[in-house]
Amino acid sequence: QVQLVQSGSELKKPGASVKLSCKASGYSFTTSAINWVRQAPGQGLEWMGWINTNTGNPTYAQGFTGRFVFSLDTSVTTAYLQIGSLKTEDTAVYYCARGKGDGYNYDSWGQGTLVTVSS
Amino acid sequence: DFVVTQSPDSLAVSLGERATINCKSSQSVLYSSNNKNYLSWYQQKPGQPPKLLIYWASTRESGVPDRFSGSGSETDFTLTISSLQAEDVAVYYCHQYFTTPRTFGQGTKVEIK
Repeated sequence: QVQLVQSGSELKKPGASVKLSCKASGYSFTTSAINWVRQAPGQGLEWMGWINTNTGNPTYAQGFTGRFVFSLDTSVTTAYLQIGSLKTEDTAVYYCARGKGDGYNYDSWGQGTLVTVSS
Repeated sequence: DFVVTQSPDSLAVSLGERATINCKSSQSVLYSSNNKNYLSWYQQKPGQPPKLLIYWASTRESGVPDRFSGSGSETDFTLTISSLQAEDVAVYYCHQYFTTPRTFGQGTKVEIK
């Protein structure tokens, strides 16, 4: 079955960087986009962007340019989200989600990775 | 950016009764060339990732109970739970994918009265 397994929780200091992983299994990795969604504590969902797993081309939402980088390692069917120069407001759960079919709808989600940024 | 606004922010419904959630987008999400509304609905239970319920405004995802239905077009949409069950307690989000950046509504919390 389709499964996305994300890396474990992270505790970082402001200014540090972090790289989260999203390991996909149960389907052909390069046939479905990977989207990233952020959820701050007690808040709603925020779409960060997506990466084309066939070409590696990323698309970032406004507010997620510069410090945020989507990448892939297709040899291990894994997508990555790297966040640089962490700020306290980056504290959130980060989800990866597979875009089904044409990529618009997210039919399988990782369990989420909690990133806590605190001095 | 497209803004999608849900109403109400929360609602409490008795078991077996109907729950209705509204979603309004700031611009039409109907793509004229294929007559599809680029809007979906997700359910998120506490401590869990979201789950896709409805896409193209009214197409139920495989495995989703038929008490969940979506309707509407262009800028106004509705998610209906025809007979609320205890396991439906969750936050529900609408999501437009007509344009980038894709955006979610703020969420509607559904509880049991």
